[in-house]
Amino acid sequence: NAGVMQNPRHLVRRRGQEARLRCSPMKGHSHVYWYRQLPEEGLKFMVYLQKENIIDESGMPKERFSAEFPKEGPSILRIQQVVRGDSAAYFCASSPLAGAGDTQYFGPGTRLTVL
Amino acid sequence: AQSVTQPDIHITVSEGASLELRCNYSYGATPYLFWYVQSPGQGLQLLLKYFSGDTLVQGIKGFEAEFKRSQSSFNLRKPSVHWSDAAEYFCAVGVSGGTSYGKLTFGQGTILTVHP
Repeated sequence: NAGVMQNPRHLVRRRGQEARLRCSPMKGHSHVYWYRQLPEEGLKFMVYLQKENIIDESGMPKERFSAEFPKEGPSILRIQQVVRGDSAAYFCASSPLAGAGDTQYFGPGTRLTVL
Repeated sequence: AQSVTQPDIHITVSEGASLELRCNYSYGATPYLFWYVQSPGQGLQLLLKYFSGDTLVQGIKGFEAEFKRSQSSFNLRKPSVHWSDAAEYFCAVGVSGGTSYGKLTFGQGTILTVHP
């Protein structure tokens, strides 16, 4: 059973461009979480999605950021008009269930650099 | 709101020495607690978790953690550290209720350096 896959692993964008990050959850997992890790900081929750639904986006900036998890295909985190402050590692995690004690399995992350 | 504090940003130990990484949490209900490890350039791997029962939890790679409700702590321990344990360690609390549905709140992380 393949683990959580994220691509690209590294992404370089210039200010004002769009960044599109992909996450394929583990087989059988229908719950996806996105976290952001800024330099020298721990991971911060951004958004929680189930298939075709955003359940909790309380950690996601109101502007420029969006997420989706379509019925078919990977989950996408999209950042429009990137700024230097968006440079970070973005991690996706998936889980078969969504309880507080359920294990989340993390992907290797996408490291975004904004020039 | 829940929070997690890892007081030690960086810890250095000698190979073979014992290890304890501290974690304190703040949460209004029974916490679900996790320890993850992150090697450089990699994702997070679960070491162990606690949500009920025995307060001493065994994990992978010889790690264990003890939940102490009176101290709001969940410290990670290992009796003898190996050079391959050098990594960054994150403590996290799982949130329940409302639309939170298990999202994790992480501490700032502790970087472990192991000297030969």
